[in-house]
Amino acid sequence: DIQLTQSPSTLPASLGERVTISCRASQSISNSLNWYQQKPDGTVKRLIYSTSTLESGVPSRFSGSGSGTDYSLSISSLESEDFAMYYCLQYATYPLTFGSGTKLEIK
Amino acid sequence: EVQLVESGGGLVQPGASLKLSCVASGFTFSDYWMSWVRQTPGKTMEWIGDIKYDGSYTNYAPSLKNRFTISRDNAKSTLYLQMSNVRSEDTATYYCTRMQLGWFAYWGQGTLVTVSS
Repeated sequence: DIQLTQSPSTLPASLGERVTISCRASQSISNSLNWYQQKPDGTVKRLIYSTSTLESGVPSRFSGSGSGTDYSLSISSLESEDFAMYYCLQYATYPLTFGSGTKLEIK
Repeated sequence: EVQLVESGGGLVQPGASLKLSCVASGFTFSDYWMSWVRQTPGKTMEWIGDIKYDGSYTNYAPSLKNRFTISRDNAKSTLYLQMSNVRSEDTATYYCTRMQLGWFAYWGQGTLVTVSS
C-alpha cells in the first residue's frame, strides 16, 4: 500500500497568513492526488484534484502543486472559513489511501 | 444539486450485521461510479470500496473485502453497504461518495456506526 505522510498534523495560523500543508507519498504517485477540506460538522468537500486543478467554486487562494512523491496544498491568505481539517488522497494505486490529516487552527 | 443522504447507522453489537443506505438525488445515479469511505473517531479516513455505475464491478480495501459488500439499486438511486461480523474497529462515520473527474467529488453527510456490547 502507498503511505501518505501529511504534515504538519496541526497548523496554528492567523487570518491573512499564507500556509502550506505537505503530503509525501511512499512511492511516486504521478500527480494522482486530491485535497479535501472537512469542517467541524463533518461536511467534506473536494478542493483540488489531479494535484493542481481547482474544484469549481473553490476560492483561488487555494492552490496545489507537486510531483513524484511530494505534494502540497497552499492557502495564500487565510480567511475564517478556512480553519478546518485537510486531507490528501492518492488514487495512483489501489488501495486508495488518505493522509492522516492536518488541523488548521486559529493561532 | 447533488445530494447524498446516508442512513442506517446506529449502535450494533460485535459480530452482528448492518446495512447502510445512501439515497442519491440531483443527478442520474446510474451514470456514476460510487464509493464508500469511513472516518474513525480518531479522524483517520479509510477507503472502503467502489462500485461501477451498472453494478457489474466492485473493488474493496483488502482488509475489508471479506466482511463488507457494496451494491446498488439504480431504479431507487440507492447505494448500499452491507457490513457483517462487525468489530469494535468498525466504529466510524460512513460516507457515501460520487465520482466526477476523479475520486470522491461529492460526499454525503455521513452516518455513524458504533460497535459495542
